[in-house]
Amino acid sequence: AAGVIQSPRHLIKEKRETATLKCYPIPRHDTVYWYQQGPGQDPQFLISFYEKMQSDKGSIPDRFSAQQFSDYHSELNMSSLELGDSALYFCASTPRGASYEQYFGPGTRLTVT
Amino acid sequence: GENVEQHPSTLSVQEGDSAVIKCTYSDSASNYFPWYKQELGKGPQLIIDIRSNVGEKKDQRIAVTLNKTAKHFSLHITETQPEDSAVYFCAARRGLTTDSWGKLQFGAGTQVVVTP
Repeated sequence: AAGVIQSPRHLIKEKRETATLKCYPIPRHDTVYWYQQGPGQDPQFLISFYEKMQSDKGSIPDRFSAQQFSDYHSELNMSSLELGDSALYFCASTPRGASYEQYFGPGTRLTVT
Repeated sequence: GENVEQHPSTLSVQEGDSAVIKCTYSDSASNYFPWYKQELGKGPQLIIDIRSNVGEKKDQRIAVTLNKTAKHFSLHITETQPEDSAVYFCAARRGLTTDSWGKLQFGAGTQVVVTP
């Protein structure tokens, strides 16, 4: 079965650089969620999109922005990177309709040096 | 906002024994409670979920119970196997509203180790 695709899987950046993370949801899924997971921690919600519109916002820094495109893929843009941004970033998607299930991708490991 | 507490933080069991993980939530508007299994270096995998109109759900060796009055829910794994070793997260979610579009609030996780 098709799964959520995230790219790149690993990314190393220096402080103050920018990074772009991409997420391709499962086909026929229209809602995308972004989560950040620090070492040994639970995933923390960042932002979500439904039908290409931002639907909810969590603890996402102002340095981060995101959008969902017409093909439903989403990109998380991170600027002025800080050491504390080093984490796993997960994208999850939910099927169309009044569905509850969120299916997570394999994640992007971002390391800021 | 929602707060989810999960216990224990670590759980060691012998192969074949049962494992139980418990979570409590604070927001009475939460109506969906999934459980995720996360192996090292991988994304969380949805293993079972329960909605607030159901008290119990079972899928082979895995079962989840929900007590809405007490605001707690539990994961039960029977006949544990070494491949059950992973971190397990509970989560809670409110119904869809203009300011809460399905975001999950996770518990802190339970490291389960199944020894042969």
